[in-house]
Amino acid sequence: EVQLVQSGAEVKKPGESLSISCYASGYSFTSHWIGWVRQMPGKGLEWMGIIYPRDSQSRYSPSFQGQVTISVDKANNTAYLQWNSLKASDTAMYYCAAPNLGYWGQGTLVIVSS
Amino acid sequence: DIQMTQSPSSLSASVGDRVTITCRASQGISNDLGWYQQKPGKAPKRLIYAASYLQSGVPSRFSGSGSGTEFTLTISSLQPEDFATYYCLQHHNYLTFGGGTKVEIK
Repeated sequence: EVQLVQSGAEVKKPGESLSISCYASGYSFTSHWIGWVRQMPGKGLEWMGIIYPRDSQSRYSPSFQGQVTISVDKANNTAYLQWNSLKASDTAMYYCAAPNLGYWGQGTLVIVSS
Repeated sequence: DIQMTQSPSSLSASVGDRVTITCRASQGISNDLGWYQQKPGKAPKRLIYAASYLQSGVPSRFSGSGSGTEFTLTISSLQPEDFATYYCLQHHNYLTFGGGTKVEIK
């Protein structure tokens, strides 16, 4: 069974760093693109970026380029989304997804508040 | 980048109605399109892949059609559990979502 299991909710202060994770199982992790999607409260879905685990080739949406970093740990079938300096506007639900397989994680809520 | 224009942004319908949602791509994307359903507080769920193929386990009242730049999701007879928000997603050139269609009860 294919599963994408994300790390738990986070509450952080502006300026802090954060890394959230997405553990994949049930398929060949290195053979399929995996990416991250933002959903701000009451809003639609936005692709942030995707990465190909086999060679770590990545592509970011222009809106998120330079704002976040997407990476993978092939040995542990895990993808990461990282921020160096959070802003209040980063408050949102974040989903990982394997788009060509159609599988999604359960979501990680990130709240950034002073 | 490819833009996806989804319409309508919302609609009101009754149980049993036929519902149609459209996505238009800014350039040709072959059949590299999926349709997703999202209910409040839940992750999106794929209904249709490759524009017209039904995801396993999805009721047959859902169907997709189109190729190139025009795509349609049809719900043949709306059921109470279908009230949700629907998104198209192109993966021809990286990824772009449509803006979403909220299907509400009339």
